[in-house]
Amino acid sequence: EVELLESGGGLVQPGGSLRLSCAPSGFTFSSYAMNWVRQAPGKGLEWVSGISDSGDRTYYADSVRGRFTISRDNSKNTVFLQMSSLRAEDTALYYCARRPGSYYFDSWGQGTLVTVSS
Amino acid sequence: DIQLTQSPSFLSASVGDRVTITCRASQGISSSLAWYQQKPGKAPKVLIYAASTLQGGVPSRFSGSESGTEFTLTISSLQPEDFATYYCQQLNNYPLTFGGGTKVEIK
Repeated sequence: EVELLESGGGLVQPGGSLRLSCAPSGFTFSSYAMNWVRQAPGKGLEWVSGISDSGDRTYYADSVRGRFTISRDNSKNTVFLQMSSLRAEDTALYYCARRPGSYYFDSWGQGTLVTVSS
Repeated sequence: DIQLTQSPSFLSASVGDRVTITCRASQGISSSLAWYQQKPGKAPKVLIYAASTLQGGVPSRFSGSESGTEFTLTISSLQPEDFATYYCQQLNNYPLTFGGGTKVEIK
């Protein structure tokens, strides 16, 4: 069974940093592109970042480019989201999602909550 | 960036109703559109991908179609378990984008 388990969320002050992790299981991790999607409280979905299966290509939303860095370690079956210069508007539930091929995200974690507040 | 305009943002319907949700892309996206259902406190679940392909295990009352840059999700006969929020997503160009969502509530 495919599972995605996010961790690393928490309360951080504006301007601070946080690193999220996603540890998938139940499939060959190195064969899939992975993505991060966030959802602010009571709001809609916002795609944040994506990384290719090999890790050689990365993509970012305009709202986080230059502040967030996505990476993966295929030897440890983990994808990361390093977040810096955090702002109040980054407060959200952050989901890790798997992308098989080009057409959709087929598996999602349950999310890890990031709260940016002083 | 490609913008997705989803309508309506809120819909009140009864069990058995036919429901249609529209998603309009700001430019062509070559059928690279997916629809998701999200229930409170849960992660989204894919219903439709490539504009009209039903994901395995999804009831056949859900269907998707496209006409140019306009995409439609139809629920042919709304069931109690279908009350949720629905999102479209384009996967043709980075940055990937979602529509604003449509909340379907019980009338």
